Amino acid sequence: GAGVSQSPSNKVTEKGKDVELRCDPISGHTALYWYRQRLGQGLEFLIYFQGNSAPDKSGLPSDRFSAERTGESVSTLTIQRTQQEDSAVYLCASSLVPGRVGTDTQYFGPGTRLTVL
Amino acid sequence: GENVEQHPSTLSVQEGDSAVIKCTYSDSASNYFPWYKQELGKRPQLIIDIRSNVGEKKDQRIAVTLNKTAKHFSLHITETQPEDSAVYFCAASSPINPRTSYDKVIFGPGTSLSVIP
Repeated sequence: GAGVSQSPSNKVTEKGKDVELRCDPISGHTALYWYRQRLGQGLEFLIYFQGNSAPDKSGLPSDRFSAERTGESVSTLTIQRTQQEDSAVYLCASSLVPGRVGTDTQYFGPGTRLTVL
Repeated sequence: GENVEQHPSTLSVQEGDSAVIKCTYSDSASNYFPWYKQELGKRPQLIIDIRSNVGEKKDQRIAVTLNKTAKHFSLHITETQPEDSAVYFCAASSPINPRTSYDKVIFGPGTSLSVIP
């Protein structure tokens, strides 16, 4: 079946502009995660959704970052007033049911490469 | 909170040799340990995982061992091939809120493996 998809694949923006990144999880997956990966670095957790709620948003680096999920499906990560240090690949992942054996594997999307000039 | 360390950060081996990557975690409640492989420009993909009720798991040339007492786990790749060249991430998942079944996954910083033909 279809995997996790993300759009756009690449986004170039000017400093100070707002951007929206989209994630379409695997159909039926209740959990959705956003991560940030700077060049040559590891995966930095941003936010976790269970259904349409975000019980863990502890990784959002500032109030310029926000995310929402609707219909227990698509999620949008919004970065306002972008800064150069926001440049990174933003990865989305989904899992069927977190915390349960056999259903908690996270499947990643291809990512959105954001470049802030 | 959970902290995952990973060593080495880079590893270079001759084709056919074995490669070992080691990770340690801090939260004794962690119960699920996945390993992801990320090829250059690609998404992370799960290659093997282990749960806290077993000490070792093997899948063809890949094996993972877990020492719960010492809170460390390792990835072993035997008979390495050039296509094994990638960044490998370990991760540890620990329960945050039993009422929501949310297990937070924390990733290590990654190991860049190069297999020299």
